[in-house]
Amino acid sequence: LAKTTQPISMDSYEGQEVNITCSHNNIATNDYITWYQQFPSQGPRFIIQGYKTKVTNEVASLFIPADRKSSTLSLPRVSLSDTAVYYCLVASQAGTALIFGKGTTLSVSS
Amino acid sequence: DAGVIQSPRHEVTEMGQEVTLRCKPISGHNSLFWYRQTMMRGLELLIYFNNNVPIDDSGMPEDRFSAKMPNASFSTLKIQPSEPRDSAVYFCASSLVQGIANEKLFFGSGTQLSVL
Repeated sequence: LAKTTQPISMDSYEGQEVNITCSHNNIATNDYITWYQQFPSQGPRFIIQGYKTKVTNEVASLFIPADRKSSTLSLPRVSLSDTAVYYCLVASQAGTALIFGKGTTLSVSS
Repeated sequence: DAGVIQSPRHEVTEMGQEVTLRCKPISGHNSLFWYRQTMMRGLELLIYFNNNVPIDDSGMPEDRFSAKMPNASFSTLKIQPSEPRDSAVYFCASSLVQGIANEKLFFGSGTQLSVL
């Protein structure tokens, strides 16, 4: 399984764009990159997933460079409700156990 | 769909007692995962099932922990005997694996276990 590294914490203010970068230097050819969000007292929630280039949905964008050794989750114009822990996962084979790291704790202030 | 349903939401028990946590995955999903979360250790994968068969239980802490999935709509995680260090939030998650890598996990609300 590819090991991921992401910042322990980040701070931001309402209305700003937040970019959280995840490093996965030993990512394999078949690996996908998936991000989850976890609010206090809740289970993680799927945000976005990608393989290469850029993926965008109603919640966030995911930027993946050509070498795929890192990925960046971009949250546009964050609000207080975006305060949560964000996890980056890399997995390849279907059915492979999905391992969560420590994640990045994002704190958004007014 | 009601999502992944876990019960109970909260469980308080005394050391040495048996604890059983329950999970109903999303209908149609064929993989089920049990995770444990603490401040110190984060989110740990305990065991996961595919088509009701345990695939990897290497995360199960010790023999006091056991998990079963008798059918596609129900799973249990049992701790016997329980110890204070088992206190944590236990999450169940399910997914649909279709032979490709891009699977998404859907988590339940968790069971907050406190062992006194």
